[in-house]
Amino acid sequence: DAKTTQPPSMDCAEGRAANLPCNHSTISGNEYVYWYRQIHSQGPQYIIHGLKNNETNEMASLIITEDRKSSTLILPHATLRDTAVYYCIVRVAPHAGGTSYGKLTFGQGTILTVHP
Amino acid sequence: DVKVTQSSRYLVKRTGEKVFLECVQDMDHENMFWYRQDPGLGLRLIYFSYDVKMKEKGDIPEGYSVSREKKERFSLILESASTNQTSMYLCASSSFAEDSEAFFGQGTRLTVV
Repeated sequence: DAKTTQPPSMDCAEGRAANLPCNHSTISGNEYVYWYRQIHSQGPQYIIHGLKNNETNEMASLIITEDRKSSTLILPHATLRDTAVYYCIVRVAPHAGGTSYGKLTFGQGTILTVHP
Repeated sequence: DVKVTQSSRYLVKRTGEKVFLECVQDMDHENMFWYRQDPGLGLRLIYFSYDVKMKEKGDIPEGYSVSREKKERFSLILESASTNQTSMYLCASSSFAEDSEAFFGQGTRLTVV
């Protein structure tokens, strides 16, 4: 699985957009970019994923560069409850007979602190 | 609401005990995973299973085994618990769909004394 590089920590003011970068320069053509977050003492929570195109859902937007070597997770209006560790993961699509079965390999993530 | 449920939130066991951590999912998912999470080391994959009775080693399988007798249940077994297995253990499940997301349980904080 491709490795990812994220800044160890970031700050954001409440109500502003939080832009979390991720570098995945060795990503392969069949690997998706996934974002999860983990609030203290809870299991990771899925946020969003994408392959080539930009994606948006009720939680966030995902911008993937054209060469797919990096991406940015955008929380459009950060709140105090968005304070968490954010993980960017590249994941091979699961398929029967393969060896990955869609497993997620976590890096260190980015600690996002949203302050008033 | 989809759910991955881990049997215990907190667990304290003695060194040398055999420990069972249970995980149940109600989404009919094919894949199930066990991770451990330690400060500074992030989440590391211990074992995963892609079907009943099928299992694959993850990155740190030593000292652990797993059992999957039914599709919805995936058990992590510490054959002889040691203090270096004190950790947060997280179970997850996902489907075989190409862009499936994984759902995680709330975690079990295991302390081996």
